[in-house]
Amino acid sequence: SQTIHQWPATLVQPVGSPLSLECTVEGTSNPNLYWYRQAAGRGLQLLFYSVGIGQISSEVPQNLSASRPQDRQFILSSKKLLLSDSGFYLCARLGGGNTIYFGEGSWLTVV
Amino acid sequence: GQSLEQPSEVTAVEGAIVQINCTYQTSGFYGLSWYQQHDGGAPTFLSYNALDGLEETGRFSSFLSRSDSYGYLLLQELQMKDSASYFCAVLDTGRRALTFGSGTRLQVQP
Repeated sequence: SQTIHQWPATLVQPVGSPLSLECTVEGTSNPNLYWYRQAAGRGLQLLFYSVGIGQISSEVPQNLSASRPQDRQFILSSKKLLLSDSGFYLCARLGGGNTIYFGEGSWLTVV
Repeated sequence: GQSLEQPSEVTAVEGAIVQINCTYQTSGFYGLSWYQQHDGGAPTFLSYNALDGLEETGRFSSFLSRSDSYGYLLLQELQMKDSASYFCAVLDTGRRALTFGSGTRLQVQP
C-alpha cells in the first residue's frame, strides 16, 4: 500500500523560531508531492509541489521553503516563523486516477 | 487561475438526502474531486468525475456537467457520522495539483 508519514503531528513554536516538517512516502516511486496549509475553518491552500528530486515549485510567496532531498522525502521549512504561519499542514501525493492522498497532517501553533 | 464556489453550511436530519453544489472556473480541467474532512483530521478522498454524468459509490454520488462548470455531491441516508466538511476540488492540468473550494460544513441532526 502507499502510505504517507508526516511528523511531527503537533508542535508549538515561538515567533522567530525555525521550523522543519517532514514527510515520507512509501510504496511508490517518483510521486508528485505537495504541501498544503489549512487555516482554522478554512480551505486548503497549495504551498509547494514537487515532480521529482530537487524540483520544487512555490505557489505562494512567503517565509516558508520546501526541499526534496530524496525521491520519497519532502520537507517544509522556515528560518523564522510568524504568527500567521499557524495552521494545519498537510503533505500529499498524487495517486492513480488523478487522486490526491493526504498524510495525517501537522498542527502548528506559533506563539 | 481557478476558483470554486460551494455553500458554506448545510444542515439536514438523519436519514435525509442532501446535495452540495460546486461551481468552478478553471483554465484547464482534468476533473472534479470531492473530499471529506472531519474536525481535526486530514481530508479523505470521496470521488472523482472526469466525464459528465453521475458516479455512485454506496451512499455517496457525484455528478459533473463540464458544459456548465458545475458538479454536486449527493449524500443519501444521512448518518450522524457524515457530519463533516466537504470540499470540491479541481485538478490543474499544468501543475497536476488540486485547487480546493472553501468547503461546506454539513451538520446532521437527529
